[in-house]
Amino acid sequence: DAKTTQPPSMDCAEGRAANLPCNHSTISGNEYVYWYRQIHSQGPQYIIHGLKNNETNEMASLIITEDRKSSTLILPHATLRDTAVYYCIVRPTMTTDSWGKFQFGAGTQVVVTP
Amino acid sequence: EPEVTQTPSHQVTQMGQEVILRCVPISNHLYFYWYRQILGQKVEFLVSFYNNEISEKSEIFDDQFSVERPDGSNFTLKIRSTKLEDSAMYFCASMSEIYEQYFGPGTRLTVT
Repeated sequence: DAKTTQPPSMDCAEGRAANLPCNHSTISGNEYVYWYRQIHSQGPQYIIHGLKNNETNEMASLIITEDRKSSTLILPHATLRDTAVYYCIVRPTMTTDSWGKFQFGAGTQVVVTP
Repeated sequence: EPEVTQTPSHQVTQMGQEVILRCVPISNHLYFYWYRQILGQKVEFLVSFYNNEISEKSEIFDDQFSVERPDGSNFTLKIRSTKLEDSAMYFCASMSEIYEQYFGPGTRLTVT
């Protein structure tokens, strides 16, 4: 079962920042937080990941709380093309017990409106 | 930008037939995966593959399924005798050592 909790849906106005919350209160010290999105039925698209520091790339920013029990994905200027299902996933580092699989939950359906 | 490719984009087959889904992972990646997504449901992990062998598989990945990396570039998923419930989108993914896993566009399998 997925170890994260996300709201099922949220709306965002085009041009505004979209802040997507995720709770992962049982996260372990060796688990990273990953964000992916899936546009319609396309393959999941990598957005960003982090361990404990905040991260930023050309797509988004990831803010992880100090206790690591929750995080927020920020899309700084949402466009209509950002309409998708966004998945927050926690995944441990690679070991012989964990070979990098992702366990997807239901995610958050984000709809960007004009 | 390198990407994972999958063929065919859509495969229609009759129940009981064998199908092979093909994937070309990103060239310097070491870890390979198959996932599936039944219409309207979550993306589900099937199998991971590393160093030419299965490293982990889910309960879904039973004896009807097999994977192979026959020539160092392609990565295939074979379903020996398809069932109606195998109808789904199948996604291939690959990953380098820096843990960013990239997914292909998927193959839609329809079993009739």
